[in-house]
Amino acid sequence: SYELTQPLSVSVALGQTARITCGGNNIGGRKVHWYQQKPGQAPMLVIYRDSNRPSGIPERFSGSNSGNTATLTISRAQDGDEADYYCQVWDTTVIFGGGTKLTVL
Amino acid sequence: QLQLQESGPGLVTPSETLSLTCSVSGDSISSDNYYWGWIRQSPGKGLEWIGGVHYSGITNYNPSLRSRVTISVDTSKNQFSLQLNSVTATDAAVYYCARLTFFKVRITVVALLEKWGQGTLVTVSS
Repeated sequence: SYELTQPLSVSVALGQTARITCGGNNIGGRKVHWYQQKPGQAPMLVIYRDSNRPSGIPERFSGSNSGNTATLTISRAQDGDEADYYCQVWDTTVIFGGGTKLTVL
Repeated sequence: QLQLQESGPGLVTPSETLSLTCSVSGDSISSDNYYWGWIRQSPGKGLEWIGGVHYSGITNYNPSLRSRVTISVDTSKNQFSLQLNSVTATDAAVYYCARLTFFKVRITVVALLEKWGQGTLVTVSS
């Protein structure tokens, strides 16, 4: 079965740029979606189809996908961006990455 | 505005069946482009797809749970349901329902979970 690999944690200084990766075999050939989950809340879609932002998601959130790595980039990181982030693809069923905890220092 | 709300027992006895319902409001469950899915999250763990159902009755299940899962849809009530048989302590989790948008871009399948319910905690204990 297809697997997605994310780092367990990423730290970023306030106002700097955070990059969260999602690795998978030729993931560039798939469409990747990213979800943000804050403590006690349901996940929320922040990037879909590699690089598209749903309505209401700040432009600070962007995504890319090529080769074996998809990346979620959060520019000018804020305290409110602290959350768990999950990547997701389709491979005959829904596949989630293990999740990355983003800490804003 | 689309809303999903999970309901069902918060406590299930080991070896029994977990049953949850998701009520959909603000949109018809009878739409070609959507599946209606269940996702769970064990305490301190990541997200796990359980499965989903199209209004036509077509289902998609996580292979690791397929033998114990049934997901069904009731279009008259705009609801869909989850049944998980023979539960153990490892099935204790927050269970979310969500709408899965599903379509193809050329040969690539796009499937994303655009809207989620708030989740419901299920404990497994005697």
